[in-house]
Amino acid sequence: GAGVSQSPSNKVTEKGKDVELRCDPISGHTALYWYRQSLGQGLEFLIYFQGNSAPDKSGLPSDRFSAERTGGSVSTLTIQRTQQEDSAVYLCASSRVVTSGRDEQYFGPGTRLTVT
Amino acid sequence: SQQGEEDPQALSIQEGENATMNCSYKTSINNLQWYRQNSGRGLVHLILIRSNEREKHSGRLRVTLDTSKKSSSLLITASRAADTASYFCATDGRSAGTYKYIFGTGTRLKVLA
Repeated sequence: GAGVSQSPSNKVTEKGKDVELRCDPISGHTALYWYRQSLGQGLEFLIYFQGNSAPDKSGLPSDRFSAERTGGSVSTLTIQRTQQEDSAVYLCASSRVVTSGRDEQYFGPGTRLTVT
Repeated sequence: SQQGEEDPQALSIQEGENATMNCSYKTSINNLQWYRQNSGRGLVHLILIRSNEREKHSGRLRVTLDTSKKSSSLLITASRAADTASYFCATDGRSAGTYKYIFGTGTRLKVLA
């Protein structure tokens, strides 16, 4: 079946511009996650959506970052007034949520953001 | 700082040898997962072990979990060149009042043919 898709795959933007990154999770997955991965580094948790609950925004690095999830499906991560340190690969993942806890996450291919 | 810390940071072995990677974490968890990341396939889930389990096998993979030491290990037996990748552990635990997955910084494994 279809996996997690993200768009665009690559984005080059000028410092100070706003960008929107899109994630289409696997159909039926109620949990959606955004992560950021800098070159050669691990994954940095950004935000987590679960069903209709308020999102866990505890990982967002600044108020320039925001995310929404419409209709419990597609999610958009917005970065306002981009800075060079925002350059990274932004990964989206989705999962089921089972009664025994979280299930495995399925990752999208990521969006490589370069801020010049 | 990252909850999950893998060691070693990098590991280079010959094809056919076993590779062992370790992960330590800090808070209580529901489960711990191992993921692999390489340039060709992105991040892929390998195995999940729940907090009440001590060992789990999947093909050439063996994962152990010691909740008293807050540590886990991933063993890859009879390694192949295709196992070359970065391996991350991820814990689903409570931190600052919320549950979220925390990924470690990863172990870069290189398997030499």
